[in-house]
Amino acid sequence: GNSVTQMEGPVTLSEEAFLTINCTYTATGYPSLFWYVQYPGEGLQLLLKATKADDKGSNKGFEATYRKETTSFHLEKGSVQVSDSAVYFCALRGAGNNRKLIWGLGTSLAVNP
Amino acid sequence: EPEVTQTPSHQVTQMGQEVILRCVPISNHLYFYWYRQILGQKVEFLVSFYNNEISEKSEIFDDQFSVERPDGSNFTLKIRSTKLEDSAMYFCASSEEVRVTEAFFGQGTRLTVV
Repeated sequence: GNSVTQMEGPVTLSEEAFLTINCTYTATGYPSLFWYVQYPGEGLQLLLKATKADDKGSNKGFEATYRKETTSFHLEKGSVQVSDSAVYFCALRGAGNNRKLIWGLGTSLAVNP
Repeated sequence: EPEVTQTPSHQVTQMGQEVILRCVPISNHLYFYWYRQILGQKVEFLVSFYNNEISEKSEIFDDQFSVERPDGSNFTLKIRSTKLEDSAMYFCASSEEVRVTEAFFGQGTRLTVV
């Protein structure tokens, strides 16, 4: 079945450091891929998405590219801020009319000033 | 900005008791979902709901669980006889239409069964 494997945390970085959170997936066909973020005390918010191979999703300085050949969707940001401290979840939705999201474990990020 | 709202934010209940978790999806959305996250584990899909019926459910969603849209705005998850292992964060979500579109999530209800 479909699955998502996500880099384990916690990740601790200094402000302005480069961030990579790895995400790989297993799926049949062409799933859609998502990164969600959960700030402290808040719900899950969509950060970015990509619906087909080689698409790049981007938002708030974060980027992720849908790599079919490596079945990956790594999240990157060139310069993190304290306000980026949150838990980041990689997720996929299977091809076709399948609507449910399959989730990674989540990676906690702490950015220190 | 429209949002999904969930109540209560935290519920403590005794084992064996019934509990109802409430959600108000975004008003023009047609698909509704419940997910849960047991502490330290992955977020898991429970059920999706469309056109007043369940469209998909996971193996977790057994006879102890039910969902309902009792009026035009609320979407509820009922657990009939709670077990200790039902303790989790429960997330409600809604989405607009067919094809690939993002789901919008509520803040979650933390359910603690004692």
